[in-house]
Amino acid sequence: AQSVAQPEDQVNVAEGNPLTVKCTYSVSGNPYLFWYVQYPNRGLQFLLKYITGDNLVKGSYGFEAEFNKSQTSFHLKKPSALVSDSALYFCAVSRVGTPLVFGKGTRLSVIA
Amino acid sequence: GAVVSQHPSRVICKSGTSVKIECRSLDFQATTMFWYRQFPKQSLMLMATSNEGSKATYEQGVEKDKFLINHASLTLSTLTVTSAHPEDSSFYICSASKTGGITDTQYFGPGTRLTVL
Repeated sequence: AQSVAQPEDQVNVAEGNPLTVKCTYSVSGNPYLFWYVQYPNRGLQFLLKYITGDNLVKGSYGFEAEFNKSQTSFHLKKPSALVSDSALYFCAVSRVGTPLVFGKGTRLSVIA
Repeated sequence: GAVVSQHPSRVICKSGTSVKIECRSLDFQATTMFWYRQFPKQSLMLMATSNEGSKATYEQGVEKDKFLINHASLTLSTLTVTSAHPEDSSFYICSASKTGGITDTQYFGPGTRLTVL
């Protein structure tokens, strides 16, 4: 069965600094990887996904993620954090024949 | 584009009553809709997957007679929590997929907070 690990419950970063939210996965076969963001009392908003092709994926709001097959990782990054980026971030993985499985989420706090 | 709405956003009901939650894709047709449950400070747990015009596929451990799902059209799916009990209190979130393919993006609704007294 596939699984997703987000090793950090909380990430704090100063506004203007680069941010990284970590995600590692375990799946047999080719993974399909997604990042979503959730603001308080709201549903999830799609940020980006990796299906195939270029390992570096660019998404919404200046976010990007790099698929690293050897490290089974798909870390989310942004060069310069904004206070408005503060939210709960979910990594998710699927593969052929299985539903999307979400990580436990990482709360990002960007401090002005 | 790709907006999904849920109604109601919040509902409080008495134990033993039934509650219906609607999920609508507003600007696209959704071949597949998903229903998730999210507990406080926890991840989303998939409850069931529904394809338009077909019976829903429930995940292991989810009672299909308690959580009734109907996907009558390409823009509407409903989740009915029957004979609700306090342990059913949770945040229920739906998502919709245009094609239902495994690589297709799921677009999520804003969620419904259910409180059963």
